[in-house]
Amino acid sequence: KNEVEQSPQNLTAQEGEFITINCSYSVGISALHWLQQHPGGGIVSLFMLSSGKKKHGRLIATINIQEKHSSLHITASHPRDSAVYICAVSYGGSQGNLIFGKGTKLSVKP
Amino acid sequence: NAGVMQNPRHLVRRRGQEARLRCSPMKGHSHVYWYRQLPEEGLKFMVYLQKENIIDESGMPKERFSAEFPKEGPSILRIQQVVRGDSAAYFCASFQGAGSPLHFGNGTRLTVT
Repeated sequence: KNEVEQSPQNLTAQEGEFITINCSYSVGISALHWLQQHPGGGIVSLFMLSSGKKKHGRLIATINIQEKHSSLHITASHPRDSAVYICAVSYGGSQGNLIFGKGTKLSVKP
Repeated sequence: NAGVMQNPRHLVRRRGQEARLRCSPMKGHSHVYWYRQLPEEGLKFMVYLQKENIIDESGMPKERFSAEFPKEGPSILRIQQVVRGDSAAYFCASFQGAGSPLHFGNGTRLTVT
């Protein structure tokens, strides 16, 4: 069974802290996505990666194919980073045929 | 360049009515995905369409649900004879082609009373 597990489920941080969200999956994948869902419900694609590391501003995503694990890091966190972060994987079907994790709800306090 | 547009943003239907959800992809995108997010649950893939073709409908419920993406106009997700269990947020996403990122709409929140 293809599963995507995220941890932690909930995370509270103080402004400025370094944050890590983890994602594990059970079988080989073609790509892994990190998504951000805002309190209003809209979804933004942050990263799509199949190997190595990607960086965009204060966000960094890494993936270890051998260990079937990915991390999303947020440096110098800010209250506007408060959102649900969702990991999703595609297993070789179409690019958007994704298996989603349940999400990590992040709250950054000022 | 407008993003992915979904409408309506909120839709209320009584049990047994039909719900039509519309998704206009980003300009130049010919691939559309639909997803459903049930309350307190994660997102789930429903269907993948290209213009005039259903490519993958492995996530669609077998009955009452259908989707189309005509040559002209938005993609439509249609739910016939809605039931309370259909209450959810429905998202669509579009992309340009293999390897390009997905762009999501803001979703349609369907409430069945």
